[in-house]
Amino acid sequence: DQQVKQNSPSLSVQEGRISILNCDYTNSMFDYFLWYKKYPAEGPTFLISISSIKDKNEDGRFTVFLNKSAKHLSLHIVPSQPGDSAVYFCAATTNTGANSKLTFGKGITLSVRP
Amino acid sequence: GAVVSQHPSWVICKSGTSVKIECRSLDFQATTMFWYRQFPKQSLMLMATSNEGSKATYEQGVEKDKFLINHASLTLSTLTVTSAHPEDSSFYICSASAVGGYGYTFGSGTRLTVV
Repeated sequence: DQQVKQNSPSLSVQEGRISILNCDYTNSMFDYFLWYKKYPAEGPTFLISISSIKDKNEDGRFTVFLNKSAKHLSLHIVPSQPGDSAVYFCAATTNTGANSKLTFGKGITLSVRP
Repeated sequence: GAVVSQHPSWVICKSGTSVKIECRSLDFQATTMFWYRQFPKQSLMLMATSNEGSKATYEQGVEKDKFLINHASLTLSTLTVTSAHPEDSSFYICSASAVGGYGYTFGSGTRLTVV
């Protein structure tokens, strides 16, 4: 049972345009969500997160939106840059703290065309 | 920022041998370390959660006798793949969570190929 779903396996956008990466979840107990960026043969690097008490969090070019009623979140990257080309994972957890387990989606491969 | 060092970055071994992967938190103490496995074009699947000084908690379907996890200190956890077989070939990644804090830092991963 895939509790975190990233239904689009890939996305291609033009440099300078907006990239919108979507993520859906089924577990209503999830209350903290994270986005990670991953290059091949490397570990994921943290991008941005959002708590369930918020509906938006912004950090530079990255903004994450959370719609709890729809169990949906999205990552917006604007403007997109070629260096943003990577696999993006959405992750969720049910509680904060050192022992919290993350549940990951399958990832979306973003390609930013120059 | 927090740094997690994972070694080796890649390893090739023969079937039947054992391989040890190390995960170290370099500038913070990690209460908890997590071990993941990733197949090509798939998600990161949590294998086990380890807390310093106690036995690891394995996810359903993960063989604890095959994937031995040791978390002897607040800065080091090891994953040993015992009697490796070609189907164990995968990308293994660790992450660490700091004492009293929240957040996850991932290692750079280990590509294991069993021939």
